[in-house]
Amino acid sequence: LAKTTQPISMDSYEGQEVNITCSHNNIATNDYITWYQQFPSQGPRFIIQGYKTKVTNEVASLFIPADRKSSTLSLPRVSLSDTAVYYCLVGDSASGTYKYIFGTGTRLKVLA
Amino acid sequence: GAVVSQHPSWVICKSGTSVKIECRSLDFQATTMFWYRQFPKQSLMLMATSNEGSKATYEQGVEKDKFLINHASLTLSTLTVTSAHPEDSSFYICSANPGTGIGNTIYFGEGSWLTVV
Repeated sequence: LAKTTQPISMDSYEGQEVNITCSHNNIATNDYITWYQQFPSQGPRFIIQGYKTKVTNEVASLFIPADRKSSTLSLPRVSLSDTAVYYCLVGDSASGTYKYIFGTGTRLKVLA
Repeated sequence: GAVVSQHPSWVICKSGTSVKIECRSLDFQATTMFWYRQFPKQSLMLMATSNEGSKATYEQGVEKDKFLINHASLTLSTLTVTSAHPEDSSFYICSANPGTGIGNTIYFGEGSWLTVV
């Protein structure tokens, strides 16, 4: 079972900031939170990763509260090309191998 | 960033035949690779974990005799769909872990479309 829960879809307009929140209530102490972007017929592309507080790179910011039970991906000033599915992932090491089990992801549609 | 490459990008095969998909980590070594399948409009489903030099670990419900996985080197894992049927038509994606522990970013290949006719 996936360890994350996200809204299934979101709409936004060009130029707006988009925030996608993910719940991971059962995140393990040593788990990181990683976000990926996927376009149709392509593999997921790494966006950002964090453990706690705030992480920022050239394309996004990731906000993680102190309890780490959720995280928010922030995309500043989205464009039409940001229309994609966004996945929030935390690792699953219960089997002894660190792996990612995908949830539904959030289908973001950016409108003109 | 790290690059994972899959080949072929798409393949069409006849029912009953076998087809092999390769996954290569181009600029790092990966003791662990993962194979996913994805149907249109759906999320990725983990099929198996490929371990270099040992047997793959399959997720529940995935037939190991049908989806043969070989991880013979630190940069190559292969998925062979044996006796393919139309219901095996799907988008297959691999990923590789450049490290051995928690916190390492996993990188994904471009995916391979399989169509069984």
